Amino acid sequence: GESVGLHLPTLSVQEGDNSIINCAYSNSASDYFIWYKQESGKGPQFIIDIRSNMDKRQGQRVTVLLNKTVKHLSLQIAATQPGDSAVYFCAERFPVRNYGGSQGNLIFGKGTKLSVKP
Amino acid sequence: EPEVTQTPSHQVTQMGQEVILRCVPISNHLYFYWYRQILGQKVEFLVSFYNNEISEKSEIFDDQFSVERPDGSNFTLKIRSTKLEDSAMYFCASSDTGAFFGQGTRLTVV
Repeated sequence: GESVGLHLPTLSVQEGDNSIINCAYSNSASDYFIWYKQESGKGPQFIIDIRSNMDKRQGQRVTVLLNKTVKHLSLQIAATQPGDSAVYFCAERFPVRNYGGSQGNLIFGKGTKLSVKP
Repeated sequence: EPEVTQTPSHQVTQMGQEVILRCVPISNHLYFYWYRQILGQKVEFLVSFYNNEISEKSEIFDDQFSVERPDGSNFTLKIRSTKLEDSAMYFCASSDTGAFFGQGTRLTVV
C-alpha cells in the first residue's frame, strides 16, 4: 500500500564505485520495465528499459537485470559520478486487455535515493 | 532531441478554482499520459489517452478531472474545482514504447 511521508531508501556510494539499485515489482504479468532518474524539481528521466523476454540489457554505463522468477529488477551504474545523484524509480507496465489501443499504464516503485560522495 | 514540454512550470490557484495544465507531447508519439507526484512520494498514474479518447484512468481521476487534445499538438489536463489535496507536481508523458516525461507543473492550491 502507499505510505504518507515516504522515507526513501538511500544508497550512498563513493565517486568511481559501482552502484546497484534494486526494485521489487508487483505484477507477474508485467511485460515491460523502465528505470527512471529524477533530480530534485524535475520530471522522471528515462534511463533504460527492458522487455520481459530479456534478462539483461546494457546501456552506456548502466545495466538493467531482470529476474522474473522473484519479480526483481536491478539497475547497475558503473563508475558512479556526482551527477548520478538523484532518486531512481523502477516502473513496470502490464498489458491491459480491455481497452483497445492501450499500452497499459506505468506503475512506479517507491524510489531509491542515490547519493554520490566526491 | 525531442522532448515533452509542459506549461506553466508553476501554478498557484485558490481552492475551488479551475486550472488547466498544458502539455506538448513528442510529435510522433501516439500515447499520452498524466501522472502526479505529491511532494516526497512516488509518481502516481492518473490517465492515459490514445486515439482521441481516454484508454485508462485511475481512481484518483474522478469527475473533477478531464483531459483534452484540442488540436494536433496540445494535451491538457483540467481540474474543475481544485482542492488543497490536489497540490502536487503534475507530469505529462508521451510514448511510442518507453514513456518520456515533461519537467512537470507544480500546482499549489491555497
